[in-house]
Amino acid sequence: GQNIDQPTEMTATEGAIVQINCTYQTSGFNGLFWYQQHAGEAPTFLSYNVLDGLEEKGRFSSFLSRSKGYSYLLLKELQMKDSASYLCAVLDSNYQLIWGAGTKLIIKP
Amino acid sequence: EADIYQTPRYLVIGTGKKITLECSQTMGHDKMYWYQQDPGMELHLIHYSYGVNSTEKGDLSSESTVSRIRTEHFPLTLESARPSHTSQYLCASSGNWDNSPLHFGNGTRLTVT
Repeated sequence: GQNIDQPTEMTATEGAIVQINCTYQTSGFNGLFWYQQHAGEAPTFLSYNVLDGLEEKGRFSSFLSRSKGYSYLLLKELQMKDSASYLCAVLDSNYQLIWGAGTKLIIKP
Repeated sequence: EADIYQTPRYLVIGTGKKITLECSQTMGHDKMYWYQQDPGMELHLIHYSYGVNSTEKGDLSSESTVSRIRTEHFPLTLESARPSHTSQYLCASSGNWDNSPLHFGNGTRLTVT
């Protein structure tokens, strides 16, 4: 079967750095997405990786290793507004999105 | 401002009622989707459409139907609501590239009593 694994919950301190991991086992791979979802709100797109390596976008970076079936989202200079769930999703060989259950990130002052 | 709109935002109804959840987008996207999301759980695809008069079932059978008569409009209908349908329903659209990101509406939180 197809599977996406993410930690259920993480806690970090304002101003610090946090890395949210995502491992996947899917039938084929056509890219990996990260979305942010604040409580009670819609998911919003953060990043897309299809090639190995690090993509940097401001305070957020996303890394992909296709050989290891692994990605991470790196958040720097954490702010209270970064408290949210972070969803990892993989496009499989049929271009269908397979979703992880999300990682709830709690930021403490 | 939102480019994809869902109504109602919250809905409480009794068992057996027929309901329609509305979704409209102003981005001219051909691809539209309905997802169900429970707290702490992954999104489950209910239905999707790749264009007018095209609809497909997703991996979650929820005894619902959709229609796509106009590009911008993709309503979801539950013929007979049950307590097991209590959940958040998210509508999304995307551009025509296979790797285009999804744009989500704010969701409808449905409670069936």
